[in-house]
Parts: sequence; structure tokens; C-alpha cells
Amino acid sequence: ELKVEQNPLFLSMQEGKNYTIYCNYSTTSDRLYWYRQDPGKSLESLFVLLSNGAVKQEGRLMASLDTKARLSTLHITAAVHDLSATYFCAVDIRDSAGKSTFGDGTTLTVKP
Amino acid sequence: DAGITQSPRHKVTETGTPVTLRCHQTENHRYMYWYRQDPGHGLRLIHYSYGVKDTDKGEVSDGYSVSRSKTEDFLLTLESATSSQTSVYFCAISTRARNNYGYTFGSGTRLTVV
Repeated sequence: ELKVEQNPLFLSMQEGKNYTIYCNYSTTSDRLYWYRQDPGKSLESLFVLLSNGAVKQEGRLMASLDTKARLSTLHITAAVHDLSATYFCAVDIRDSAGKSTFGDGTTLTVKP
Repeated sequence: DAGITQSPRHKVTETGTPVTLRCHQTENHRYMYWYRQDPGHGLRLIHYSYGVKDTDKGEVSDGYSVSRSKTEDFLLTLESATSSQTSVYFCAISTRARNNYGYTFGSGTRLTVV
């Protein structure tokens, strides 16, 4: 059974600081995704990571994947208030009909 | 982007009553999924569909059934609602390749069972 663990679950940080969210998964994965969810809203796809060493960047967010360590990171650079949200990683396994297993989410609060 | 809508957006129902939630997509995607979201549990897969009349169970399928009679519609039914089924339900669609994008989610249905 595939398990996906994120840490930390809650993160409070000051504007301008850097931080990393970690996503560990238990079995070999075909694809790893990062999503963002604003309070009371739906989820929005941020990144898809397909191979070992993959790195994707969008603005102040950068995601990377180490398939050997079964680890993905979401790095936040110089945080701003608009990044406050809950971030989920999700993992597909091969031939799983596109079914994703989600982590529990990391709720990020960026304070002025 | 693919169009995906869920209805209703909010529902309050009584314990023991059947409830049906609807997911409608306009982009002819083959794969559709129902997830529930609860505090501290992320999203958990209830059922999914890989084509018309082709469905299968997910991680938390007990007490739920689904139907897909048309490509565009995926219905989730709570056969006899219980308080433990109070949750936010999300429908998602996916192209099989998904190399560039994750799921597209509906806006969610907030269900309260009293």
C-alpha cells in the first residue's frame, strides 16, 4: 500500500524567509504532483514531476524529486503573504489508472 | 482548461437518507474520480471510473456507490447517509498521460449529515 507523508503539517513563517516542505512516499512512483488549496476552495495543480532529478519552478516555488530517496521537496523562496495556503503532494503508481494517493497537506501561513 | 462542475455545492441531509452528488465534465475525459477531504486526512479516493459503466473502488468506498452512464457524468451516491460521511467531496478528471498537469478538480460539495 502506497503511503505519502508530508512534513511539517503546519508551517508559520515570516515574509521574506525561505523554507522547505517535504514529501516522502513508500513505494516506487510513476508521477508526483504538488497542489495548492486556498481556504474554502478547490485544489489547483502546481507541478508534475516525472523523473529522478526533475526540478520545476514557478515564481517563488520550486519543486524537486529524488526517486531513489522517494522524496520530493517544495522550496519556498522569500515568502510573501499570497503564498499562504495548504499544499498537498500526491503520488501515482504505475498502472494505477491515474489514481493518486495524497499526503495530509501542509498549511502554510506567511506573516508580515 | 477542462470544464468540470459539481452539484450541489452544499447539502444538509438527515441520517439514513440517500444522497446523490453529481460531477459533470465537458471535455470528454475518460478518467473521473471521487475524493473526500477531511481535516487531518488529506484527500482519500472513494471510487473512480475509467470509462462509461467502468468503475472501481478506492480506499474508502464502504457506504458509497457510483454510476457512469455517460462520459460526461459521474454520480456518487451515499446509500444511507451517516454522520461519518459529513465531509467535502471533490470530483476530479484526468487525461491518462497527465505528463504536464495533475488533476482538474471540481469546486467541491460540502455535505453535512445531521
